[in-house]
Amino acid sequence: NAGVTQTPKFRILKIGQSMTLQCTQDMNHNYMYWYRQDPGMGLKLIYYSVGAGITDKGEVPNGYNVSRSTTEDFPLRLELAAPSQTSVYFCASSSPEGITGELFFGEGSRLTVL
Amino acid sequence: DAKTTQPTSMDCAEGRAANLPCNHSTISGNEYVYWYRQIHSQGPQYIIHGLKNNETNEMASLIITEDRKSSTLILPHATLRDTAVYYCIVRVAPGAGSYQLTFGKGTKLSVIP
Repeated sequence: NAGVTQTPKFRILKIGQSMTLQCTQDMNHNYMYWYRQDPGMGLKLIYYSVGAGITDKGEVPNGYNVSRSTTEDFPLRLELAAPSQTSVYFCASSSPEGITGELFFGEGSRLTVL
Repeated sequence: DAKTTQPTSMDCAEGRAANLPCNHSTISGNEYVYWYRQIHSQGPQYIIHGLKNNETNEMASLIITEDRKSSTLILPHATLRDTAVYYCIVRVAPGAGSYQLTFGKGTKLSVIP
């Protein structure tokens, strides 16, 4: 059981480039999330999804886009990368029927924009 | 979701109990207290949660005051592997319509040999 898988683990982008961070989960969870974590800070929610075809903005959505065409996948798109998007990105999933409501996190994708 | 306040850092001797406090004075009646931890920049890991009563699982114990304005996470016998940032989070129950977890800066726990 792989849980939540993120790719790539590391990436360096030049200013203005675009890229997609991939996230997939094999737990059949309806809810999925993207967080970013800047050095020494807590996690901030970028976007979330409560099911296929449904997405919504979190606290810091500017500069990002998401889609949710399947239950398993929740890619995060960065358009026109900026140095302010240098961060570690975490994808997570949860089940609304779960007893604890806990979020399961991936290992993170470390992005540097130069 | 209610705001939480935690100390920035704490030390604990290996083998001793680690007691991590959290203040959440504005917590509402339908909000739970959750604890997560993040080891060495890995993804956060769920530890425990509770509403009113004290809770215990294989990882930790959670003590919530009677007025629910504060709580303490207890790691009964801390090991070096417990060195991590611990986050106290207040949120409504799963499925109650709130999907966000608000992570503050947490408490950096250092377990000392």
